[in-house]
Amino acid sequence: DAGVIQSPRHEVTEMGQEVTLRCKPISGHNSLFWYRQTMMRGLELLIYFNNNVPIDDSGMPEDRFSAKMPNASFSTLKIQPSEPRDSAVYFCASSWGGVGNAEAFFGQGTRLTVV
Amino acid sequence: AQKVTQAQTEISVVEKEDVTLDCVYETRDTTYYLFWYKQPPSGELVFLIRRNSFDEQNEISGRYSWNFQKSTSSFNFTITASQVVDSAVYFCALSELGSGGGADGLTFGKGTHLIIQP
Repeated sequence: DAGVIQSPRHEVTEMGQEVTLRCKPISGHNSLFWYRQTMMRGLELLIYFNNNVPIDDSGMPEDRFSAKMPNASFSTLKIQPSEPRDSAVYFCASSWGGVGNAEAFFGQGTRLTVV
Repeated sequence: AQKVTQAQTEISVVEKEDVTLDCVYETRDTTYYLFWYKQPPSGELVFLIRRNSFDEQNEISGRYSWNFQKSTSSFNFTITASQVVDSAVYFCALSELGSGGGADGLTFGKGTHLIIQP
């Protein structure tokens, strides 16, 4: 298995632009998570999906952030408009979300820089 | 609310020394899961171990061992005979049983930066 695949690996954009991060979870996993990592706040859960349905989006910082999971093999995290404080590494993770909270496997992350 | 505390921001030891990384957690649930992840300089997050709240048995995997004590809400990680390749940031994380019985998101500690000097 190729693992969780995220694209792009690096993104540099100007303030005000729309940014879309992409994630392909591990085949067969039914839970998908988006995390953000910054020096100040560490690793934070933004949103997670179970069977393509958003379960908890309380970690999404504000309305500029949105996430979708149109099918079991693809998810996007969109920031519109982007701001410099959105600069961070964004991780996608997936797991088999049956009873028993299996371990989450993380993608390589997308390093976003907003200038 | 759930919380994970890793009080050690950075630890530096000389190769071959044993080192223990501390993790203290808070949760009101009786069913929960504890994890350790490793983040090497390359940046990816690597799963190391998962423990559920009903299993307090200590675990050993090669040079790695974990001590789970519910009485002190701790889940400490020990590396025996450390090696330079162990240098990384190590995160402890907690997950509560989701409302639907499925996977819930992880709450991470701030991480401990472990430096193994040759």
